Amino acid sequence: DTAVSQTPKYLVTQMGNDKSIKCEQNLGHDTMYWYKQDSKKFLKIMFSYNNKELIINETVPNRFSPKSPDKAHLNLHINSLELGDSAVYFCASSYSQGFTEAFFGQGTRLTVV
Amino acid sequence: QQPVQSPQAVILREGEDAVINCSSSKALYSVHWYRQKHGEAPVFLMILLKGGEQKGHEKISASFNEKKQQSSLYLTASQLSYSGTYFCGTGASGTYKYIFGTGTRLKVLA
Repeated sequence: DTAVSQTPKYLVTQMGNDKSIKCEQNLGHDTMYWYKQDSKKFLKIMFSYNNKELIINETVPNRFSPKSPDKAHLNLHINSLELGDSAVYFCASSYSQGFTEAFFGQGTRLTVV
Repeated sequence: QQPVQSPQAVILREGEDAVINCSSSKALYSVHWYRQKHGEAPVFLMILLKGGEQKGHEKISASFNEKKQQSSLYLTASQLSYSGTYFCGTGASGTYKYIFGTGTRLKVLA
């Protein structure tokens, strides 16, 4: 059973389109995150949720909207995709706020053409 | 603000040792280390919660100097499987902010 699963693994789309990435964890964790990893491999936090509540929004454009229907799911919707959005997006979860290890999904490679 | 890691990249021969450093401009309450292989997700290696704490994992160990706001990862007798990008990660008490360092690319050659 995969601990943190995200879909799709690859996403190729045209500029201006809207797309979603789904994430689910079966670890019973309270905290979930979205990270963006660019071509230089930097892992930048985008959002942090705790028990379905948005805690952190790290100066991410309004075109990115996370949604957490329950504490096991954290989806990412992106409107009006731009070339600069091309990156690998990772979902992660942890038991609590930063003191325990984070488990990552396999990543979604988003390519905007 | 992202912790800064050094070196940015390192190439080793099998059996050689390496040290990766992680420095933060803010107080560190915990330090985590991860390894990411090419095309894969980061995988947890170890966590250090107390200042001065040292932990080991096979031939990989780490130290945490809370006063200096630094942590170091030690890889001894490196193996080909150690190749990848290493990240330190840190969380602060009372926040849900879990941020990663700038990363160190390590390549082990036969």
